[in-house]
Amino acid sequence: DAKTTQPPSMDCAEGRAANLPCNHSTISGNEYVYWYRQIHSQGPQYIIHGLKNNETNEMASLIITEDRKSSTLILPHATLRDTAVYYCIVRSANRDDKIIFGKGTRLHILP
Amino acid sequence: EAGVAQSPRYKIIEKRQSVAFWCNPISGHATLYWYQQILGQGPKLLIQFQNNGVVDDSQLPKDRFSAERLKGVDSTLKIQPAKLEDSAVYLCASSLRTGGSYNEQFFGPGTRLTVL
Repeated sequence: DAKTTQPPSMDCAEGRAANLPCNHSTISGNEYVYWYRQIHSQGPQYIIHGLKNNETNEMASLIITEDRKSSTLILPHATLRDTAVYYCIVRSANRDDKIIFGKGTRLHILP
Repeated sequence: EAGVAQSPRYKIIEKRQSVAFWCNPISGHATLYWYQQILGQGPKLLIQFQNNGVVDDSQLPKDRFSAERLKGVDSTLKIQPAKLEDSAVYLCASSLRTGGSYNEQFFGPGTRLTVL
């Protein structure tokens, strides 16, 4: 079973910041938080990951709470192309630890 | 850089027939994954290869599903015989290595299977 809880859907106005929450209250000390997204009719795409520090790349920012029990993915200026299902995943760096996808959050960007 | 290639993109078969899917990972990627994604759900890992060896096939229904990666490059996934509940998108992914904190998986476009 997925180790994360996400809202099933969210709306965001185009041009605004999209903030996608994720709860992972049972996360272990050696587990990372990963985010992938899946645009309609495509395979999932990696976005970002982090352990305990906040992370930023060209696609998004990841904010992880100090207790690491929750995180937020931020798309700073959402566009219509960001409409997708966003998956929050918790996994360790161990060789045998696989990615387990939940149902994710369906993000609708409104024009 | 070429991405993960999969074929066919779509397949319609009748139950009890056989079907095979092909995947060519990104060049140099040692790890290859097959996922099943049923409508409305996230992808579920079926099997993971490291080069041509199986790392994890715990969720592969071995009575009807089989997969191979003989030369450690491309891979085929077969279903024989197919059931109605096998209707899904079958995704192939590859990564440079197994494990590690930065182990981004690159996904192909998937094969949409419909079993009638």
